[in-house]
Amino acid sequence: DAKTTQPPSMDCAEGRAANLPCNHSTISGNEYVYWYRQIHSQGPQYIIHGLKNNETNEMASLIITEDRKSSTLILPHATLRDTAVYYCIVRPFNKFYFGSGTKLNVKP
Amino acid sequence: GAGVSQSPRYKVTKRGQDVALRCDPISGHVSLYWYRQALGQGPEFLTYFNYEAQQDKSGLPNDRFSAERPEGSISTLTIQRTEQRDSAMYRCASSPPLRQGSSEQYFGPGTRLTVT
Repeated sequence: DAKTTQPPSMDCAEGRAANLPCNHSTISGNEYVYWYRQIHSQGPQYIIHGLKNNETNEMASLIITEDRKSSTLILPHATLRDTAVYYCIVRPFNKFYFGSGTKLNVKP
Repeated sequence: GAGVSQSPRYKVTKRGQDVALRCDPISGHVSLYWYRQALGQGPEFLTYFNYEAQQDKSGLPNDRFSAERPEGSISTLTIQRTEQRDSAMYRCASSPPLRQGSSEQYFGPGTRLTVT
């Protein structure tokens, strides 16, 4: 299974865009990139996923490089409520490996 | 609609006792997953089901752990002869049928297990 690498933590000013990077250099052609976040002790929350095209929904945008070896999750206007651990997951069929994620601290 | 529910939310048990953790997935969701999460770490995959069939149990730590989903809906994760190292948050997730090869998982609130 492809593994991912994320920075352990990042800071972002409230109202600014948060750009969270993820490296997945061993990704296979049929593996999707998923992003989840976990706020405090709540269960992980789905954000977005994509295969090779950039994706956007009401929560975020996902930019995947052309070679698919890395991606960036963009929260366009971060709020204090976006403070959480963000997980980048490369998923073969039905398994999720969460890793340690990136702790995003949104500061006023 | 109703999300994934888990019970009990908290369980304290003595070392050596058996525990059963229950997961009720979102109605219509085909797949069901169990994870374990230690404090400060991401969820660790344990096992998953498609309908009633256990597709992968490679993440179960040892043979004291087992899971079932006999009617393709509610699932039970059982830990026999609990040990202190089993203390963790146990999370369940479910997902709808695959669309174009992908589907997202929806997580329940978890069961906090403490073995004393």
